[in-house]
This record gives sequence, structure tokens and C-alpha cells, in this order.
Amino acid sequence: ETGVTQSPTHLIKTRGQQVTLRCSSQSGHNTVSWYQQALGQGPQFIFQYYREEENGRGNFPPRFSGLQFPNYSSELNVNALELDDSALYLCASSLGANTQYFGPGTRLTVL
Amino acid sequence: GIQVEQSPPDLILQEGANSTLRCNFSDSVNNLQWFHQNPWGQLINLFYIPSGTKQNGRLSATTVATERYSLLYISSSQTTDSGVYFCAVVGTGGGADGLTFGKGTHLIIQP
Repeated sequence: ETGVTQSPTHLIKTRGQQVTLRCSSQSGHNTVSWYQQALGQGPQFIFQYYREEENGRGNFPPRFSGLQFPNYSSELNVNALELDDSALYLCASSLGANTQYFGPGTRLTVL
Repeated sequence: GIQVEQSPPDLILQEGANSTLRCNFSDSVNNLQWFHQNPWGQLINLFYIPSGTKQNGRLSATTVATERYSLLYISSSQTTDSGVYFCAVVGTGGGADGLTFGKGTHLIIQP
């Protein structure tokens, strides 16, 4: 158990819809990073939030956006869903740039 | 950006055997982590090891930062060791502290 929780566990959406995924960080951690893992691939970095500010971004379009709240929990929002957005979405929390601890993930299916 | 290569991509062993997984990276790193991903998708932290050697039970890891590689050793393999092993790094080149993952080594331990 890492202390990082994610909700929901599974989600099914249709193309064009919008989705919000949630992550609660481990106690004492101030940084949350989000990753997308397609089937059979390694996770890909989406973006990172540090003290409520976006701290860097991977190669993902602007329709992937996020928030971090004062309690350091975080949301990932994806607009205009595409079929290729079907994946396991993982969040990780850390204290700054130290070890990242991952949650169990949200499995998103886009039909 | 930094590149991470893992080898071998697949490994099938009998229970009780030892194994060595390799991770090569293309630039200096601030962070290197090894993970085991279970069948449900959870990424389990094995080691945070940007340099040096660590041991935890039957597992050990060595990172030679000057030569840009890391090795994960698994001794006396058990069937529960099966799964995908990922190496992930954060380069020193600035920007966000998102992890860059390799493609993983898929390990199967047969009884």
C-alpha cells in the first residue's frame, strides 16, 4: 500500500465526451504526477503539479489538463475523448523530486 | 529527451533460478527507480537507486551512473515474481521531474 488512492477504478466513455479522474496523494507529499499507460507499453508522463502549479508537461495535447488542490490532491481532465485515449491512467505522489509512489490506476475505455 | 532501454524484453525461467535485468539510459539522471507491475496494473516500488547498490531480500540493484546503466538482480525466483519490471529515470537536463520509463521486461517464472 502506497497511500495513494485513485478514483474511479474503471470508467467507460464515448468518443467526444469529457472525463475527470481523481488522485489523493500520500500524506506529507506535495507533488503529483500523472501518467498514461497504453496496453503493452510503459507509462508515459502527462504532467506534474507542485504546490498547485503545473511544473512540467510531457508530449500531450492541451485537451489534457489538470488541477492540484490545497490538500495536494489532484484531478486529470480530458476533453473531446478519442479512441486512443483508452488506457490505464496512473498518478504518483512524491515529496518534490524524490521517490514517486503510484496509485492503483484508473482504467479508461473510450468507445 | 532521455532514452531508456531495457533488456531482455521477455524472460522465462524456472522457479529457483536467478535473473539479471538491465536498464541503459542515454544521459545523466537525478532519479532512477525500479518497479514491478502486478497483473492488476499496480506499480510496486522496488528501489530508488540513482547510484550505488541496494539490497532488499532476494532482490538487489546496482546503478553505475558514470556508465549509464542499472541492473536488477532477482535470486531464487518464485512464481509470484512474475510480471513486468520497469526501469524509470528523471534526467538532469532540467524541466519537469516526470519519470521516463523503459518498455519493460516481461518475466515469467514457471513452477
